[in-house]
Amino acid sequence: GDSVTQMEGPVTLSEEAFLTINCTYTATGYPSLFWYVQYPGEGLQLLLKATKADDKGSNKGFEATYRKETTSFHLEKGSVQVSDSAVYFCALASGGSYIPTFGRGTSLIVHP
Amino acid sequence: ETGVTQTPRHLVMGMTNKKSLKCEQHLGHNAMYWYKQSAKKPLELMFVYNFKEQTENNSVPSRFSPECPNSSHLFLHLHTLQPEDSALYLCASSQEAGTAYGYTFGSGTRLTVV
Repeated sequence: GDSVTQMEGPVTLSEEAFLTINCTYTATGYPSLFWYVQYPGEGLQLLLKATKADDKGSNKGFEATYRKETTSFHLEKGSVQVSDSAVYFCALASGGSYIPTFGRGTSLIVHP
Repeated sequence: ETGVTQTPRHLVMGMTNKKSLKCEQHLGHNAMYWYKQSAKKPLELMFVYNFKEQTENNSVPSRFSPECPNSSHLFLHLHTLQPEDSALYLCASSQEAGTAYGYTFGSGTRLTVV
């Protein structure tokens, strides 16, 4: 079945540091890939998505590139801010089951 | 404002109580979902409604009963819950249940069963 694997957290960074959160997946066919963000006390928000190989999703300075050859969709940001502190979820949705599969989430803590 | 509104935000209930969670969206979406989010566990899909028809029941105990009277409203009726049912319950919607559509989530209802 489909699955998503994210790096264990928490990831702790200083403000303006470079961020990478790794995500790899297993799926049948050609899934769509997503990153969601959950701020404290809130629900998940869609951050970015990519629907086919080599697509790059981007939003609010975050980027992720759909890499079919490595089955990865790593999230990156060049300079994080304290306000980026949240939990980040990688997800996929494939044609076999139209319901997204979520990773376990990676907590990001950014210090001033 | 996320576009998906859940009420109440917090709920404390005894194991013999009956309560309902409400979810409302006016985004014109046709699919709605209930998820359970527990500490240290992956997000668990509970129910899916697509065009008001229930299309997924992910082996959820019968003490949880969903209702979707129209495409804008979704309820989760609760009765005789257990302490392990304490969690954040998230409602989400999407244009329809399809692979390329992202979800819009509500802020959730924090449920505590005592």
